[in-house]
Amino acid sequence: DGGITQSPKYLFRKEGQNVTLSCEQNLNHDAMYWYRQDPGQGLRLIYYSQIVNDFQKGDIAEGYSVSREKKESFPLTVTSAQKNPTAFYLCASTVWSSQANYGYTFGSGTRLTVV
Amino acid sequence: QQQVKQSPQSLIVQKGGISIINCAYENTAFDYFPWYQQFPGKGPALLIAIRPDVSEKKEGRFTISFNKSAKQFSLHIMDSQPGDSATYFCAASKETSGSRLTFGEGTQLTVNP
Repeated sequence: DGGITQSPKYLFRKEGQNVTLSCEQNLNHDAMYWYRQDPGQGLRLIYYSQIVNDFQKGDIAEGYSVSREKKESFPLTVTSAQKNPTAFYLCASTVWSSQANYGYTFGSGTRLTVV
Repeated sequence: QQQVKQSPQSLIVQKGGISIINCAYENTAFDYFPWYQQFPGKGPALLIAIRPDVSEKKEGRFTISFNKSAKQFSLHIMDSQPGDSATYFCAASKETSGSRLTFGEGTQLTVNP
C-alpha cells in the first residue's frame, strides 16, 4: 500500500537533546512538508521541500532542521534550540503540478514529549 | 495576509442535525480551499475541496459553500452521525499543487447519539 510512514509514533526528549523524526513516502510525491500541531492552534508549517536537495523555511522554522537527500525521505531534527518542542508533528506530501491541486496526504504523526 | 480564521473552536450537535463550520481568509491569491478531517491520534485526511469558480460543492453529506466576495467558505455536514466526531480543519492555498497550505485553527465536532 502506498502512503506516508512516520516514526516513531511516540518520542521522549530530554532537555538539551536533539532528536530526529522520520518521514518516508512511497507515493512518488515531489513535495513534502512538516507541520506542528498544538491544541487550538491548528497546523503550523515548519519546513517544506518541493524537490530533492532543496527546502524552504515555513512559519516556525526556528529550532528545527531538515534534509531532503532522497525523494522519498524528509527527516526533521528538533534541536535543543527549540524551547517548547512538546507537540504532535505531522509529515505530508503531494504531487507537484501546475494544472491542479491534489491536496496533501498526511502521515499518522509523531508525538514528541520533553521529559 | 496568510491567515485563515476558523470558527467555532468546538461544536456539539445531535445525531441527525446539521453541523456548520465557518472559515474566512485574507489572501486574495488563494484559489484552492480544502477541508480536512482528523481523528484522534491520526493525521488529517482530505475530505472535500472547492475552487472559487463555483459557489457550492457537494459530496454525499458534506457540502462546501463559498462566498468569494466575502472571502468566506463553510463546511456543512448534513444528517450528522457519531462517526463524524472528529477535528475539522479548513485550509487555503494557491491552485498549483505543491503550494503550501495555510490551515485554520480547527473545530472539534462532537455528534451525540
